[in-house]
Amino acid sequence: DTGVSQDPRHKITKRGQNVTFRCDPISEHNRLYWYRQTLGQGPEFLTYFQNEAQLEKSRLLSDRFSAERPKGSFSTLEIQRTEQGDSAMYLCASGPPGLGSSYEQYFGPGTRLTVT
Amino acid sequence: AQSVTQPDIHITVSEGASLELRCNYSYGATPYLFWYVQSPGQGLQLLLKYFSGDTLVQGIKGFEAEFKRSQSSFNLRKPSVHWSDAAEYFCALLGGFGNEKLTFGTGTRLTIIP
Repeated sequence: DTGVSQDPRHKITKRGQNVTFRCDPISEHNRLYWYRQTLGQGPEFLTYFQNEAQLEKSRLLSDRFSAERPKGSFSTLEIQRTEQGDSAMYLCASGPPGLGSSYEQYFGPGTRLTVT
Repeated sequence: AQSVTQPDIHITVSEGASLELRCNYSYGATPYLFWYVQSPGQGLQLLLKYFSGDTLVQGIKGFEAEFKRSQSSFNLRKPSVHWSDAAEYFCALLGGFGNEKLTFGTGTRLTIIP
């Protein structure tokens, strides 16, 4: 069990550019989550996948944000036309299948995005 | 709507002293409750969770938490802190069966002094 991995760990971009982040969940975890954490705040839910299906999206996920999990394994989060307000830590988490244990979410180290 | 409040932004304790971090929640039924710890440059690590049953739950690293329905609280405790416990601690809530969205508090930063 190698844990949830995220790439890149840090990203600096200029306003208006597009960025894409990748998340590799723990193997055999069919649930995958994206959260955003700004300075001094707790993580805020963005979206949730079960296998390849995106089952829930937060109102925080504007039209400029899109997330995919094409084969039910890794996931990508893309932000188009970045704004300075997008600067945050983007966290990915995964959870195992089945009732009960599925309530646990295991987090990756995050991708810190800075928009200049 | 569900929410989590962590009233203490920053707490400082001496190494070896006891610790209690407060967490209050708002939810219409019994929630699922979690405590996570976040160290600089690291992801969130699950310390412990409460789903049902015994209201005193044990976690990793010597932490425990007690669910008190009457007070809508889920405070985290440790009898004797170590310097390595310095980190940010987050309380989180899951609104029951079928809800996949964790709602986090704003966190409590713990500083340990020697």
